[in-house]
This record gives sequence, C-alpha cells and structure tokens, in this order.
Amino acid sequence: DSGVTQTPKHLITATGQRVTLRCSPRSGDLSVYWYQQSLDQGLQFLIHYYNGEERAKGNILERFSAQQFPDLHSELNLSSLELGDSALYFCASSDGTSGGLGADTQYFGPGTRLTVL
Amino acid sequence: GNSVTQMEGPVTLSEEAFLTINCTYTATGYPSLFWYVQYPGEGLQLLLKATKADDKGSNKGFEATYRKETTSFHLEKGSVQVSDSAVYFCALSGRGSYIPTFGRGTSLIVHP
Repeated sequence: DSGVTQTPKHLITATGQRVTLRCSPRSGDLSVYWYQQSLDQGLQFLIHYYNGEERAKGNILERFSAQQFPDLHSELNLSSLELGDSALYFCASSDGTSGGLGADTQYFGPGTRLTVL
Repeated sequence: GNSVTQMEGPVTLSEEAFLTINCTYTATGYPSLFWYVQYPGEGLQLLLKATKADDKGSNKGFEATYRKETTSFHLEKGSVQVSDSAVYFCALSGRGSYIPTFGRGTSLIVHP
C-alpha cells in the first residue's frame, strides 16, 4: 500500500460526458502528479501540482483540468469525453526531499480505470 | 529533451532463469535513474534507483548500475520467480525537474 488513494476504481460513462477523478496523496506529501496510461501511448505525464499551485503541464488536453485543494487532495476533471480517453489514470505523490536533485521517489495510487462508451 | 528507451517485451522466462531488461537514456546533465514495477491491477511502485554515475541500486534481488559512459541502466536479476511477473518501467528525472520521463515498459512473464 503506497498510501495514495484514488476514487473511483472504475468509471464507465458515455461520450460527451464529464467525470471527476479524485486523489489523496500520502500524508505529508505536497506534490501530486497525474498520469494517463494507455496501451498505445504508454504512461503519459499530464500535470503536476505542488501545495495547491500548478507547477508543470505535460500532454494534457484542453478538455482536461485539475486542481489541488488546501487539504492537498487533487481532482482531475475530464470533459467532452471521447472514446480515445478510455485509459487508466494514475495519481502519484512525492515528498520532494531530494531538494531539486531530481531523485524524488513517486508513490502511485492504484489508478482509476475510465471506460468511455 | 529527455528520453528513455527500453527493450520491447514481452520477455518470457522460466523460473530461476537470469533476467536482463535493457534501458538506455538521453538526458542533459546528470539525471537520477529509476526502475519502477507494476504488478497486475496495481499502480507503479519504486523498485530501485541510482542518483549518480557508477551507483548501483538494488532491491528484492534486482540490481541496476548507472553507466554514464554508455547512458544505460540495465535491470538484472540472477534467478527470477513466478511472482516477478509484472511490467517494468525505466525512468529518469533531471536535476531541477520533478517530472520523470518513463520508458514504455517491458512486460516480464515467468513460467513455473
């Protein structure tokens, strides 16, 4: 158990709909990362938040948005869903103890499997 | 930019066989290197890491050595078990960046 929780575990919805995925980081971790994992694209970094502020964006579509709340949990909002958005969405947290040396371990949640029909 | 290249899988082995999964990278400066493992139905978890050249990371019988001269971080295990069946991801993150770059993953299947 990594200490990172994600809900829901599975989500089935229709094209054009909007969903919200939730993540709670490990106790004490200020950083939250979102990733999308699909068979054809592999593991793609979407966005990074640190203590409530957006720090970096990766391959995140304009239809997707995220935020991190004062209690440090984060939500990923996916709207106008398309069939191609079906994937596993992972949240990860890190403690930032490497001080910018890039050696931080990422702790991944169990993921949310999104199926768009 | 940074990139990680892993050997394509699946890698299929018999129990107690020797394992090597190749990983090479492209990065500026001196990145930290990681191997993560993803068991079926779970998220990724750190297997081992190395933060500077010639460092050897090790865990659960797995080892990888940071080779700057060949820009490689190959994963090895002397005797694999059925329980090692999983997908293995090589990753790097550079100094000043908290965002890791992951390889595409290599699936390992170990038969009894």
